Amino acid sequence: DQQVKQNSPSLSVQEGRISILNCDYTNSMFDYFLWYKKYPAEGPTFLISISSIKDKNEDGRFTVFLNKSAKHLSLHIVPSQPGDSAVYFCAASANDYKLSFGAGTTVTVRA
Amino acid sequence: DVKVTQSSRYLVKRTGEKVFLECVQDMDHENMFWYRQDPGLGLRLIYFSYDVKMKEKGDIPEGYSVSREKKERFSLILESASTNQTSMYLCASRPFGEPGATGELFFGEGSRLTVL
Repeated sequence: DQQVKQNSPSLSVQEGRISILNCDYTNSMFDYFLWYKKYPAEGPTFLISISSIKDKNEDGRFTVFLNKSAKHLSLHIVPSQPGDSAVYFCAASANDYKLSFGAGTTVTVRA
Repeated sequence: DVKVTQSSRYLVKRTGEKVFLECVQDMDHENMFWYRQDPGLGLRLIYFSYDVKMKEKGDIPEGYSVSREKKERFSLILESASTNQTSMYLCASRPFGEPGATGELFFGEGSRLTVL
């Protein structure tokens, strides 16, 4: 059973607007969360992370929010650009070697 | 620059064949991982290795084995390929060697395997 869930398989957004990607998790032992971005025919690349001791982390146009009580995190991309069109994976770690990944959300930024 | 190299980008094999997927990293990382990516399922961990000659089963190890004889190389072996092993296989490495290390994974470009 997947412990990290991305319930929206796809998202379409206009260039310049905000993209909001959501991720839910079930394992209360997860204490570190990451977002990866993947273009077709390439491996995923690290985007941004957040520790469970924080509720927000920002890096340029990308902000990740963590709501531990709801076991929910989100990635905000502002403003969205055409180069942001990709598959985004949410991942979580429970103080061990392994990362558990969600199914991914495909973002399409329309010009 | 960080580099994880997977030996084959595309492979086509027949059912029952033995398949080797090779992965090499040039960053002196202790941890290495094999994932498979399938539509709607995301990335699922097959095996990982936290050091040379060490290996641990991931979430879906059935039908796979691994080898880590040298620090830079982590091989995934399909002893007898089956059609349900058709997938994108992704190798990754990470610079830390201790449990609880949450360093990011560096991925290779992937190997698309088709089993006929």
